[in-house]
Amino acid sequence: DTGVSQNPRHKITKRGQNVTFRCDPISEHNRLYWYRQTLGQGPEFLTYFQNEAQLEKSRLLSDRFSAERPKGSFSTLEIQRTEQGDSAMYLCASSPLRVSEAFFGQGTRLTVV
Amino acid sequence: GIQVEQSPPDLILQEGANSTLRCNFSDSVNNLQWFHQNPWGQLINLFYIPSGTKQNGRLSATTVATERYSLLYISSSQTTDSGVYFCAVEPQGGSEKLVFGKGTKLTVNP
Repeated sequence: DTGVSQNPRHKITKRGQNVTFRCDPISEHNRLYWYRQTLGQGPEFLTYFQNEAQLEKSRLLSDRFSAERPKGSFSTLEIQRTEQGDSAMYLCASSPLRVSEAFFGQGTRLTVV
Repeated sequence: GIQVEQSPPDLILQEGANSTLRCNFSDSVNNLQWFHQNPWGQLINLFYIPSGTKQNGRLSATTVATERYSLLYISSSQTTDSGVYFCAVEPQGGSEKLVFGKGTKLTVNP
């Protein structure tokens, strides 16, 4: 395992459906982050885990969004009742505890039609 | 919250030219990273540079934390350098998140 892995790479869904994305961080990294990026903008922070504890959530993370990291390894991000405004690239990153240099996965591009 | 401004927003170069990208931030930071976003959307780490100067091949970066700016230098640019360059900072004050600028879109023409 040489990097952060995200699945799926692309997801097209109909408005109102639920979607779930998975992130596998670099194996020795305790910290895991989710970001969202829309066209022409820089990534925006959504949420952050240290091991299995979710320590911070952005106001961008509405009650339709939920993230988990049940065993402190992989993480999932679920969006319920998707809306067209949820269309974006969802990026996952991980970093070790002592040095907070973040490494990003390839992202999951979500299109809500 | 902290503001991160990158300039210029767009830059067009001929292959072989040199360039300097700038990142200004409005408050003290713990960390600063530079990324290159490839055409497929992945963010590639260039530098982790909360202060000082680092070099990696044709790229180098300098962060002057006391004056709240960082510079990314690209020398002898190549077409493969094209893409969007992002600066991201981790604000002081306990938050572990990165705050990104809007990026500089670089186009290197052959």
